[in-house]
Amino acid sequence: DAGVIQSPRHEVTEMGQEVTLRCKLISGHNSLFWYRQTMMRGLELLIYFNNNVPIDDSGMPEDRFSAKMPNASFSTLKIQPSEPRDSAVYFCASSLGTGVQSPLHFGNGTRLTVT
Amino acid sequence: DQQVKQNSPSLSVQEGRISILNCDYTNSMFDYFLWYKKYPAEGPTFLISISSIKDKNEDGRFTVFLNKSAKHLSLHIVPSQPGDSAVYFCAGLGSNDYKLSFGAGTTVTVRA
Repeated sequence: DAGVIQSPRHEVTEMGQEVTLRCKLISGHNSLFWYRQTMMRGLELLIYFNNNVPIDDSGMPEDRFSAKMPNASFSTLKIQPSEPRDSAVYFCASSLGTGVQSPLHFGNGTRLTVT
Repeated sequence: DQQVKQNSPSLSVQEGRISILNCDYTNSMFDYFLWYKKYPAEGPTFLISISSIKDKNEDGRFTVFLNKSAKHLSLHIVPSQPGDSAVYFCAGLGSNDYKLSFGAGTTVTVRA
């Protein structure tokens, strides 16, 4: 079990550019979460997918952010256009089901810096 | 709107002593509370949880205490070890069963 795999580990880009973050879920997991970590707000849920369907996107900051699950094992989070305030660590997490019996398995994150 | 608050951003403790991490919450609808541990350059990993109907849960060196009337929980680590140096996140899980609300985290440093 390779765990949740995120790429890239680090991304530095200029304001206005498009950024795509990638996530490979643990095989067999059917729940996918994107979180953002900042010093001020800690870990915030951006979007939750269940069986490839977006269930809750209320945490997506604005229309510049979009997320997809083209298949059961892969997801992308896109920011277009990026802004300096988007700088943060973005985590992808997966689980088999939800609830306390199904703890989240986090990837190692993508550190995004927008200059 | 922070529903879970960890008011101490950092904690330093000597090896062998007790570490006490505190967490306060505002949402009385949380059914479970979880603690996650995070090392630098890694994602958080699940550590321990407690149901809202319990007041204590113990797993080895880690014990969670819940005081519902005060909307407060704490994580005790006894004895603290150098490998415990990490960021600890407190989280509440609501009745919708999927949305974890995390605190901002407490960085623990265990001194040898």
